[in-house]
Amino acid sequence: GAVVSQHPSRVICKSGTSVKIECRSLDFQATTMFWYRQFPKQSLMLMATSNEGSKATYEQGVEKDKFLINHASLTLSTLTVTSAHPEDSSFYICSARTGQETQYFGPGTRLLVL
Amino acid sequence: QQPVQSPQAVILREGEDAVINCSSSKALYSVHWYRQKHGEAPVFLMILLKGGEQKGHEKISASFNEKKQQSSLYLTASQLSYSGTYFCGTELRRDDKIIFGKGTRLHILP
Repeated sequence: GAVVSQHPSRVICKSGTSVKIECRSLDFQATTMFWYRQFPKQSLMLMATSNEGSKATYEQGVEKDKFLINHASLTLSTLTVTSAHPEDSSFYICSARTGQETQYFGPGTRLLVL
Repeated sequence: QQPVQSPQAVILREGEDAVINCSSSKALYSVHWYRQKHGEAPVFLMILLKGGEQKGHEKISASFNEKKQQSSLYLTASQLSYSGTYFCGTELRRDDKIIFGKGTRLHILP
């Protein structure tokens, strides 16, 4: 299957700082990438859909000024959590869509805001 | 709208079978099945497109009933490695976003 990487895998930061998470499709070009957030023992909640070269589409209730998404190339999308607070602590997972109609997930980034 | 999965949790002994259901109130284009182990990202299992097809590997298969907007995942002769949380994701149109159900936790006992 297609390979998607995320970096960092784990990050701890102080409240008020910004954190950038990278998502890369390693062996394919992804015109669309998705960002999810998952709290413990809960489902994957879609935050936004990111298309290369255009603005991301955010789901209802997701603050676009707080979660900045950039999809600069066909293999890279970034999520920046600005002015992070403890309630932003979560497991953030990206996925990328191939031309074969499914999505492949990255390994996830565990964010802990102190 | 989020698809509804049932049951919420299943405990089986190794070698037993399991069925996990996923239903939607809206007409679907596709259903995607993933398995997630604790602390890891979801792993793609299979996709079913409208047309009522059935797909599968040797012991893991799935069906999609387009009329009922329901999909079922069948795990036959379960192995310890099948433990994890199974999510179905549904798409309303081609290349649309995938919305995931709440998951079904499967625990296989030796």
